[in-house]
Amino acid sequence: SQQGEEDPQALSIQEGENATMNCSYKTSINNLQWYRQNSGRGLVHLILIRSNEREKHSGRLRVTLDTSKKSSSLLITASRAADTASYFCATDAEGNEKLTFGTGTRLTIIP
Amino acid sequence: GAVVSQHPSRVICKSGTSVKIECRSLDFQATTMFWYRQFPKKSLMLMATSNEGSKATYEQGVEKDKFLINHASLTLSTLTVTSAHPEDSSFYICSATRTSGSQTQYFGPGTRLLVL
Repeated sequence: SQQGEEDPQALSIQEGENATMNCSYKTSINNLQWYRQNSGRGLVHLILIRSNEREKHSGRLRVTLDTSKKSSSLLITASRAADTASYFCATDAEGNEKLTFGTGTRLTIIP
Repeated sequence: GAVVSQHPSRVICKSGTSVKIECRSLDFQATTMFWYRQFPKKSLMLMATSNEGSKATYEQGVEKDKFLINHASLTLSTLTVTSAHPEDSSFYICSATRTSGSQTQYFGPGTRLLVL
């Protein structure tokens, strides 16, 4: 069952602006990951943040995790047209390889 | 590294026929593979977890006799949709992990199934 919800469901911004997407989950987690999916394609792993971490960076990506609020955010800075895609958060519980995906945010970067 | 392929990428079949989808890890051995289903503009729903040499573990509500999974080697898992119906039309995606307990899943490009 889906335990993650993301907002907004859809986001359109101008190229160069920053994009922020949020993810909320319901149960305790071991890790939270963000994935990108281009239309009709598979998922690409972006970043993993562990439950004992609060913030992580990778290039233009910044992920935060607040376990007390059971939420995470993904910030993409200086957006590019190629960032247009759907973004999903996914969580896994301690000792469990299974991922539970959020509902996703469809991001459109307007050139 | 960590490339996962799926074949076919698209398939159209008639109702009542069976369709086999292959998932291969090209440059690593995958102890565990996962099969997901995705409806248009929706999230991924886990169907089953497949471990090499053992029976797949199906999620609640997924018919194991309908969706047959075989994980015959450390680089290949197959999903067979038996007696396909139009409601089985969907995007099927597999993923694989390098080692047991790994949190990072590497996804295949997906297979779009259309049942007429």
